[in-house]
Amino acid sequence: EIVLTQSPGTLSLSPGERATLSCRASESLSSSYLVWYQQKPGQAPRLLIYGASTRAAGIPNRFSGSGSGTDFTLTISRLEPEDLAVYYCQQYTSSPLFGGGTKVEIK
Amino acid sequence: QLQLQESGPGLVKPSETLSLTCTVSGGSISSDSYYWAWLRQPPGKGLEYIGSIYYTGTAYYNPSLKSRVTIYVDTSRDQFSLTLRSVTAADTSVYYCARRDLRDSSFDYWGQGTLVTVSS
Repeated sequence: EIVLTQSPGTLSLSPGERATLSCRASESLSSSYLVWYQQKPGQAPRLLIYGASTRAAGIPNRFSGSGSGTDFTLTISRLEPEDLAVYYCQQYTSSPLFGGGTKVEIK
Repeated sequence: QLQLQESGPGLVKPSETLSLTCTVSGGSISSDSYYWAWLRQPPGKGLEYIGSIYYTGTAYYNPSLKSRVTIYVDTSRDQFSLTLRSVTAADTSVYYCARRDLRDSSFDYWGQGTLVTVSS
């Protein structure tokens, strides 16, 4: 199975700064099946990005996804306080599998 | 607006069977374009996919849980259900139901989640 490794484990930034979150796959995978979620404390995950780069409905344009092959990135262009959350990437090959998550803290 | 709601016991004894139901409202479970899925998240940990079912009853399971899991669907009630047999403390988690898009395998709608604790 393709394993996803997310880095860093924790990212601490100030409002207005740019956040860059990495998701690395153990083997090349189709961009069509790379997804990003946001999980705020005490809430269910929320779909942010599908197909590696397409924002889901209602997602602000400060969130963007990119990448291909084994390296994928979620970028938050200007952090806002409400972006405090854990962000997960997910792949689908034979069975959906999630990365371990990156926690974004706001200074 | 589509909504999903999990229901079921919050406490299960070790070696017994965990049973949860997800009720879908604001849309039909009998859609060609979606699977209906269960996922879980141990306290303080990451997300794990359990399995999915199509409205026809065809189910797919995470290989690591397949021997203990059954998912079934009741289209007349717009519900789908999870049974997990022979539970241990390691099965203590928040259990989520979700809709899974056939096209890209994203989970686009989620229930609020329900905590199930395995303890005697």
